[in-house]
Amino acid sequence: GENVEQHPSTLSVQEGDSAVIKCTYSDSASNYFPWYKQELGKRPQLIIDIRSNVGEKKDQRIAVTLNKTAKHFSLHITETQPEDSAVYFCAAKATDGQNFVFGPGTRLSVLP
Amino acid sequence: DGGITQSPKYLFRKEGQNVTLSCEQNLNHDAMYWYRQDPGQGLRLIYYSQIVNDFQKGDIAEGYSVSREKKESFPLTVTSAQKNPTAFYLCASRGDRKSGYTFGSGTRLTVV
Repeated sequence: GENVEQHPSTLSVQEGDSAVIKCTYSDSASNYFPWYKQELGKRPQLIIDIRSNVGEKKDQRIAVTLNKTAKHFSLHITETQPEDSAVYFCAAKATDGQNFVFGPGTRLSVLP
Repeated sequence: DGGITQSPKYLFRKEGQNVTLSCEQNLNHDAMYWYRQDPGQGLRLIYYSQIVNDFQKGDIAEGYSVSREKKESFPLTVTSAQKNPTAFYLCASRGDRKSGYTFGSGTRLTVV
């Protein structure tokens, strides 16, 4: 079945710097890759997603890149702000296509 | 709550008791899911349902049971057979296979 790895597990950056979180997946048939942000004690919220027919997608300060050949995708946050501090999860569709497999999460801390 | 509601927000259970967590959505989504989240860990799939009166075991179904009698509702019962039930439980729904999840706000279950 699908396996998703995510690195790093924790990441600290200075306010205004960029942050990059990387994920790899195992099933080459996966074709949809969402990213979720979870603030402490709250529900995960979808922040951006990418489908396998594109290599990059941007939404203001957030971008996601996908390398299908290498089976990895990355989240890029530019000009980080304290409110970006949260746990970020990547996900890929499971082999049966009916649910998602999540990475273990990255705790991002943006230091003022 | 974004169309998907979990209750209660906090739940305390004595050892040996069964408890039921509620999940209701008014998004007209066919698919619903239950995930468990432990501190510092990712999301692990307990059960999911693609359609009314049908559900499938996820990766950690032992000690849990579900029902899907109505499209809007997908309650999760944590039975006494679940050896380590203390965790944060998240319910999610999805409208179609091309979209990501919408999560509920979660239920934090503590065994006392």
